[in-house]
Amino acid sequence: GAGVSQSPSNKVTEKGKDVELRCDPISGHTALYWYRQSLGQGLEFLIYFQGNSAPDKSGLPSDRFSAERTGGSVSTLTIQRTQQEDSAVYLCASSLDGNSYNEQFFGPGTRLTVL
Amino acid sequence: AQTVTQSQPEMSVQEAETVTLSCTYDTSESDYYLFWYKQPPSRQMILVIRQEAYKQQNATENRFSVNFQKAAKSFSLKISDSQLGDAAMYFCAYRDGGTSYGKLTFGQGTILTVHP
Repeated sequence: GAGVSQSPSNKVTEKGKDVELRCDPISGHTALYWYRQSLGQGLEFLIYFQGNSAPDKSGLPSDRFSAERTGGSVSTLTIQRTQQEDSAVYLCASSLDGNSYNEQFFGPGTRLTVL
Repeated sequence: AQTVTQSQPEMSVQEAETVTLSCTYDTSESDYYLFWYKQPPSRQMILVIRQEAYKQQNATENRFSVNFQKAAKSFSLKISDSQLGDAAMYFCAYRDGGTSYGKLTFGQGTILTVHP
C-alpha cells in the first residue's frame, strides 16, 4: 500500500484495560507523528518520531500514554489503564523527514471507545 | 505557543456557489506554513492547500484558493463552484518553519455542508 495505514480501525475496550494502536507509515518516511482528535479537545499533537527516537513527547497527556517505533518504520501507541476520557480518534501521520516543508500524510485513524 | 482559531463551527453552501471559511492564528514566528486540510467521514485527512508565510502571493489549487493576510494573521479558504464532494470537516493548521520538525497545530474545524 502506498499510504499510511492504521490498525485497528475501531477499538472498543473497557475502562482499566490496556490498548495498543498501530501505525504503518509510508515506506521511506523517517518522520512519524501521532495526533488525537476528540470532541472536547479538538485535534492535538501527541508525539513526534524521527527514526526510532522521539525528540518531542510533549503532547502525551499522562504517563499512561507511551509510544515506540521500531526499525524506523512501524509505531505503536500504548494506553494503559484506559479511562473514558481517552475515547477519541487517534491519527498517525508520516513525512519524508522532519523538515517543516514536507507534507504530512495521514492515516485513516483508529477510533477508540472506552466503556 | 501558537494558536489557531476557526470561528465558524458550521457553514453551508449551495452546489456551484462559492463559500469562504475563516481562520486566524497567533504566532511570534516569522517563518511558518499554513494549511487547510479536509476530513471527510472516512476520517482520512487530506491536504487541500498550503501557504508559505514568506510568499506574498496567495496559493491556489484549482477551485480552492486562500486569502493570506500576514499582518492580520488571517488565512481564509475560498471554495469556488462548490461540489457535493466538498462536504467535509475543514481544518486550518499551522506549522513552524525553519529548522522546526513540523508539528501541526490545528483549529477547531468547520463542518461544511453542500446542498444540491
